[in-house]
Amino acid sequence: DGGITQSPKYLFRKEGQNVTLSCEQNLNHDAMYWYRQDPGQGLRLIYYSQIVNDFQKGDIAEGYSVSREKKESFPLTVTSAQKNPTAFYLCASSRGGNYNEQFFGPGTRLTVL
Amino acid sequence: DQQVKQNSPSLSVQEGRISILNCDYTNSMFDYFLWYKKYPAEGPTFLISISSIKDKNEDGRFTVFLNKSAKHLSLHIVPSQPGDSAVYFCAAMGNNDMRFGAGTRLTVKP
Repeated sequence: DGGITQSPKYLFRKEGQNVTLSCEQNLNHDAMYWYRQDPGQGLRLIYYSQIVNDFQKGDIAEGYSVSREKKESFPLTVTSAQKNPTAFYLCASSRGGNYNEQFFGPGTRLTVL
Repeated sequence: DQQVKQNSPSLSVQEGRISILNCDYTNSMFDYFLWYKKYPAEGPTFLISISSIKDKNEDGRFTVFLNKSAKHLSLHIVPSQPGDSAVYFCAAMGNNDMRFGAGTRLTVKP
């Protein structure tokens, strides 16, 4: 079955700790994206990558970092510099750049205590 | 700066009736529009899309209408079914940018 997986589904961390969210896809998609969803707001783009070893900042990249060493994987690190990290994080992928039709993972809910 | 707005956070409809979800955008560079459906604890799934060269696109019970002059699109679901109960996001793309609305929670009552 092709798809996107995110793990874990729920994650708790203490304030000041870095945490890495996993995103894997086996759809052979070139582009991958990270979004953050907060109540009452649309999905906001954190980072995106159109090809391996390349990525660009989205609208709210501050306090986050990513890597794209493999086509299938696009992990997101939430650093201690992120002022308000508690949120629902969604990873997506698409066949090409310019977004196209994106396929989303199930999401990770991060709670920072 | 919300370039894509869904002004109704929730909508409740009786089974069998029409559901109409609305979306407004401000950026005239957007030329492709999508609707996503999201169930609790799942990621959004693509539902239907429309290009700016069209004003209507239909797929089964789902129809999206685009009014470019008003910068407005709507999703019609008819007849509505209880399984349609979910959060619906509209999204707009263009000029290498993509924006999502905040979502509308649709509840279809049996």
